Amino acid sequence: GESVGLHLPTLSVQEGDNSIINCAYSNSASDYFIWYKQESGKGPQFIIDIRSNMDKRQGQRVTVLLNKTVKHLSLQIAATQPGDSAVYFCADASQSGGSNYKLTFGKGTLLTVNP
Amino acid sequence: EAQVTQNPRYLITVTGKKLTVTCSQNMNHEYMSWYRQDPGLGLRQIYYSMNVEVTDKGDVPEGYKVSRKEKRNFPLILESPSPNQTSLYFCASSLSGLAGTGELFFGEGSRLTVL
Repeated sequence: GESVGLHLPTLSVQEGDNSIINCAYSNSASDYFIWYKQESGKGPQFIIDIRSNMDKRQGQRVTVLLNKTVKHLSLQIAATQPGDSAVYFCADASQSGGSNYKLTFGKGTLLTVNP
Repeated sequence: EAQVTQNPRYLITVTGKKLTVTCSQNMNHEYMSWYRQDPGLGLRQIYYSMNVEVTDKGDVPEGYKVSRKEKRNFPLILESPSPNQTSLYFCASSLSGLAGTGELFFGEGSRLTVL
């Protein structure tokens, strides 16, 4: 079946550096992509999303890049802070009847920010 | 405060003893969903509900039941729990099947251990 995967299971960066978390997806029918952050002991939290008709979207300190040609998604975090330490999931969504979307989650990348 | 509330947060039970994990959201969301999170497998959808009295199977529905009698509540029922249902469970909701805002709100999680 289709799956969403991650290139790196762990990423360690220095405080203040930029972080880049990568994700590969395989479902060519996916038209919507989301990044979630999950802190220890908490539920996933929506960070940013992007639709397939875009290749870049910026939020506060975060940027998501989408390359549909190679089915690759990345999350860039600027000036990474200790509070950014968490597991980051990408997810792709494709329509599965009516207005419902089916989300397929990646397994996550653990980001550790060193002071 | 907008939130998704799950109870219990932690539960240890024995094989075959029926249990219910409650989920309630205060955002008037139409869409609600249950996921389980297991190491190495990521988040997998158990059941979802597009609206009151409308429920459907996700990817791993075996051994679970749900009901949606009211918009705000979406309980997960394990009629006869087995050890392979030991997992971390998340309830989530969104305005409308992700097609609209795209933002899925997650609860804090319920860690279930079946002995």
